[in-house]
Amino acid sequence: AQKITQTQPGMFVQEKEAVTLDCTYDTSDPSYGLFWYKQPSSGEMIFLIYQGSYDQQNATEGRYSLNFQKARKSANLVISASQLGDSAMYFCAMREAMYSGGGADGLTFGKGTHLIIQP
Amino acid sequence: DVKVTQSSRYLVKRTGEKVFLECVQDMDHENMFWYRQDPGLGLRLIYFSYDVKMKEKGDIPEGYSVSREKKERFSLILESASTNQTSMYLCASSKLGGATNEKLFFGSGTQLSVL
Repeated sequence: AQKITQTQPGMFVQEKEAVTLDCTYDTSDPSYGLFWYKQPSSGEMIFLIYQGSYDQQNATEGRYSLNFQKARKSANLVISASQLGDSAMYFCAMREAMYSGGGADGLTFGKGTHLIIQP
Repeated sequence: DVKVTQSSRYLVKRTGEKVFLECVQDMDHENMFWYRQDPGLGLRLIYFSYDVKMKEKGDIPEGYSVSREKKERFSLILESASTNQTSMYLCASSKLGGATNEKLFFGSGTQLSVL
């Protein structure tokens, strides 16, 4: 079973509208972290936002917020007031604590959502 | 400005060639990773290393090997390149584990085409 599921392969959104990118995850580890990365056409992966499984509040970073619904195992990214420069691939990823430390500190990624902002 | 540098942005090789993809980080990170990115498949972990000369297989290690002779450098090796290894390769680094919030820092990627 996939650990990270992003159900939207692509999205078209009008400039200045808010965008929600979906992400669901699967883990039995009580301690985990969820990440969102942006990949513009240049190829570099840019870290956007992080949410820990024990965090009481939803994470926010500027125009980015993470709608964390633990019971549903959902970690949707919300971009407010979208801009043309937000057009990119967006990846949701997870690290599980039981695998951390000295052996498996990598992230498990979803398949990504291609977001296109239209003027 | 801290960074992860991949030696080539684009690379074209022939089937059967031995290919080296190089990655250098200047953040003194213990962990280094090689991911492969394909459309519709996301990023998949090939190999990672948490110390010099240490390596661990990821999810798709077949057809690849790695080398970590120095802390800052992690090389991905395709012993005999095949067309199904045409892909974007991303190198990343991070501090050694414990915290779930330890993010990965990525290079700009190498688009490899095997003809």
